[in-house]
Amino acid sequence: DTGVSQDPRHKITKRGQNVTFRCDPISEHNRLYWYRQTLGQGPEFLTYFQNEAQLEKSRLLSDRFSAERPKGSFSTLEIQRTEQGDSAMYLCASSFGGSNTEAFFGQGTRLTVV
Amino acid sequence: AQTVTQSQPEMSVQEAETVTLSCTYDTSESDYYLFWYKQPPSRQMILVIRQEAYKQQNATENRFSVNFQKAAKSFSLKISDSQLGDAAMYFCAYRSALASGSRLTFGEGTQLTVNP
Repeated sequence: DTGVSQDPRHKITKRGQNVTFRCDPISEHNRLYWYRQTLGQGPEFLTYFQNEAQLEKSRLLSDRFSAERPKGSFSTLEIQRTEQGDSAMYLCASSFGGSNTEAFFGQGTRLTVV
Repeated sequence: AQTVTQSQPEMSVQEAETVTLSCTYDTSESDYYLFWYKQPPSRQMILVIRQEAYKQQNATENRFSVNFQKAAKSFSLKISDSQLGDAAMYFCAYRSALASGSRLTFGEGTQLTVNP
């Protein structure tokens, strides 16, 4: 098992373009999370899946953001009409079971909107 | 809503010495979990130590230990015999124990420098 994998590692895009990030969780993990981390800050929760169901979304997740997890395996996070304020590190994490289990994080996708 | 506060943006320690990172949190829940995560530069976040709120005994993992004060809502991390590899950003995090609770709420982080 290679851990949580995120692709791409870095993305530079022009304002107004759409971008999509992918996360491959640890294979037996049924829970998948997306977080956003701006420079010098702690990660902020965006959304969470249990299997293929999106169970919780943060108010940070505006209507320009959409996340999917088809078939309960990998997940994608799409940002439409990107803005400079979307520049951040987008982290994916996965876990198995309940709230007391460890969440394993990927290395993140760093988005720069120019 | 729960909040987590780390009041030390930066800390430094000499190699082989001991350092304590502070964390306070606010919650109305009685059952929850607390975590310390380490984020080295350009590397993924990894779990350092975990504490269940219902346990009175402080968690310990090798050189890492916590001082959990539930009434004071304080959760500090002590690193003993600091090593150069301990240099990283450290985040304190909270997670509810409710069945629906799953998100981690993070503090702002403490940048730890280890001086040789």
